[in-house]
Amino acid sequence: EAQVTQNPRYLITVTGKKLTVTCSQNMNHEYMSWYRQDPGLGLRQIYYSMNVEVTDKGDVPEGYKVSRKEKRNFPLILESPSPNQTSLYFCASSFGMRLNTEAFFGQGTRLTVV
Amino acid sequence: QQPVQSPQAVILREGEDAVINCSSSKALYSVHWYRQKHGEAPIFLMILLKGGEQKGHDKISASFNEKKQQSSLYLTASQLSYSGTYFCGTRGVTGGGNKLTFGTGTQLKVEL
Repeated sequence: EAQVTQNPRYLITVTGKKLTVTCSQNMNHEYMSWYRQDPGLGLRQIYYSMNVEVTDKGDVPEGYKVSRKEKRNFPLILESPSPNQTSLYFCASSFGMRLNTEAFFGQGTRLTVV
Repeated sequence: QQPVQSPQAVILREGEDAVINCSSSKALYSVHWYRQKHGEAPIFLMILLKGGEQKGHDKISASFNEKKQQSSLYLTASQLSYSGTYFCGTRGVTGGGNKLTFGTGTQLKVEL
């Protein structure tokens, strides 16, 4: 089954404790991205990657890091999480290096930073 | 800069029609539409590319006016299953053309 898998689904952590949210897709997609969703603000893109070793900032990259060492994986790293990073996070992937095709979203990771 | 969606929320009776608008201040290459049900991941509806086209599937269609940098999503003869939050995403012609910027969403509720 074609899918984007995020882990964990839920996470509660403390301020400053480094964490990684994993994202994996099995569709051989080139384009992958991370979004955060907050009430009233919609989906905001954090980082995106057009292919292996090619990443770029989205609209709200501050406080986040990503890497794309393999085509299928695109982890989101919070080196020193703060309470304002409490949010619902989605990973998405799509075919091709351009945004011309459907994006498939993971089921989301609800992160709480206390 | 996020596109502006209107209305922010709408309540329909089953069978009624609705239009959701998406407007951007920058020149657009494409407009993407997604629907999200509460607690779930967004689901793709359609993409409209530069060229001013109109697309549709089933009773949901959309138009893209690139000169006005606007897109509209049309929901005809709404069904209960249409309830959810609708997001438009825009990709600009210049300046980060591989970023997808979503609007803040339109909450649609269809009632019996």
